[in-house]
Amino acid sequence: AQRVTQPEKLLSVFKGAPVELKCNYSYSGSPELFWYVQYSRQRLQLLLRHISRESIKGFTADLNKGETSFHLKKPFAQEEDSAMYYCALLEETSGSRLTFGEGTQLTVNP
Amino acid sequence: NAGVTQTPKFRVLKTGQSMTLLCAQDMNHEYMYWYRQDPGMGLRLIHYSVGEGTTAKGEVPDGYNVSRLKKQNFLLGLESAAPSQTSVYFCASSSLGAPMNTQYFGPGTRLTVL
Repeated sequence: AQRVTQPEKLLSVFKGAPVELKCNYSYSGSPELFWYVQYSRQRLQLLLRHISRESIKGFTADLNKGETSFHLKKPFAQEEDSAMYYCALLEETSGSRLTFGEGTQLTVNP
Repeated sequence: NAGVTQTPKFRVLKTGQSMTLLCAQDMNHEYMYWYRQDPGMGLRLIHYSVGEGTTAKGEVPDGYNVSRLKKQNFLLGLESAAPSQTSVYFCASSSLGAPMNTQYFGPGTRLTVL
């Protein structure tokens, strides 16, 4: 069965510091991974997906198949980055289902 | 477009009561999903639907039922609510045509079962 693990429930950094949110997965097929973000009092929304190799709001994430990881990184954190972040893995079955990790609450302190 | 909407936003039930949560989307998406969000457990899929008239079980389906009579609506029912069903419920939708399998989420329903 596929699984997504986010080992840190809480992460706190200071403004301007680098931040890395960890995500590890287990999957027998070719993984398609996403990061979703939920800002306070807002709905969950897609942040980025590995297949697009894009940078959104300064965040990047690289898929490392050898280490089965998809860590989210930003070189200089901003206070507005404070949010709950979820890593998700697409199931290659009917319905395009996602398996989510437990989530990491990021707090960026001034 | 309103996107994905959920009704109600908040609800308090007593153990044993029943209720229905409504999810509606105006993006003509084929797929719809119901998740529950609990602290430390992330989002877990309850049920999902790949089209009008079809539903399937997700990871945690027990105690819930769903129906998709119209393409734009996906209903989640609790026949006999239990305190363990206290949670925040999210609906989402996606489409084969949506960019890279993106799921679009509703604002959530906070349910408390006493």
